[in-house]
Amino acid sequence: DQQVKQNSPSLSVQEGRISILNCDYTNSMFDYFLWYKKYPAEGPTFLISISSIKDKNEDGRFTVFLNKSAKHLSLHIVPSQPGDSAVYFCAASTLNAGNMLTFGGGTRLMVKP
Amino acid sequence: GAGVSQSPSNKVTEKGKDVELRCDPISGHTALYWYRQRLGQGLEFLIYFQGNSAPDKSGLPSDRFSAERTGESVSTLTIQRTQQEDSAVYLCASSLGGTQGTQYFGPGTRLLVL
Repeated sequence: DQQVKQNSPSLSVQEGRISILNCDYTNSMFDYFLWYKKYPAEGPTFLISISSIKDKNEDGRFTVFLNKSAKHLSLHIVPSQPGDSAVYFCAASTLNAGNMLTFGGGTRLMVKP
Repeated sequence: GAGVSQSPSNKVTEKGKDVELRCDPISGHTALYWYRQRLGQGLEFLIYFQGNSAPDKSGLPSDRFSAERTGESVSTLTIQRTQQEDSAVYLCASSLGGTQGTQYFGPGTRLLVL
């Protein structure tokens, strides 16, 4: 029973264009969502988060959108850079459950120069 | 300041042997988590420590897995009688706890059971 799903295992984008990574969840109790970026042989690095009381959070080139009614969130990277090439994981948690994270399966982003 | 550190970075063991993995969280972080990532998959939650409370062990896959934490510092994850399906990257994360949901991860321990 996958509570957090990233349906696209990979995405290829040209440098300078927008990258859009999608994530769907099924558990309506989730109230905090995060995106992590992972390079090979390294641990995941926190990128950006959003609370369920918001529908958008922006940090530089990264914006996360949350659509609670659709149980869907997305990460937009504009403009995409070759250094953004990595695996991106979305994660969700319930603050009352100790913040343990439930992760999606990841999307491998490749930004071509 | 120093991030989360884990040791060893790589471990190769024979089926049936016990292994111990170590995690040093960020100083001052009261919450500590263990996750596992099998090849080509997402991260699976294993166990969670928050301060002096009893740990949440709901993610441990079998009774061969156990973990301890000394106060609010080092944690060890022990896998007894390892099996080939235990091969994975074991990741540790820490956070400030409470309502602070951002977890910071270590580099992981790559375990290979032959």
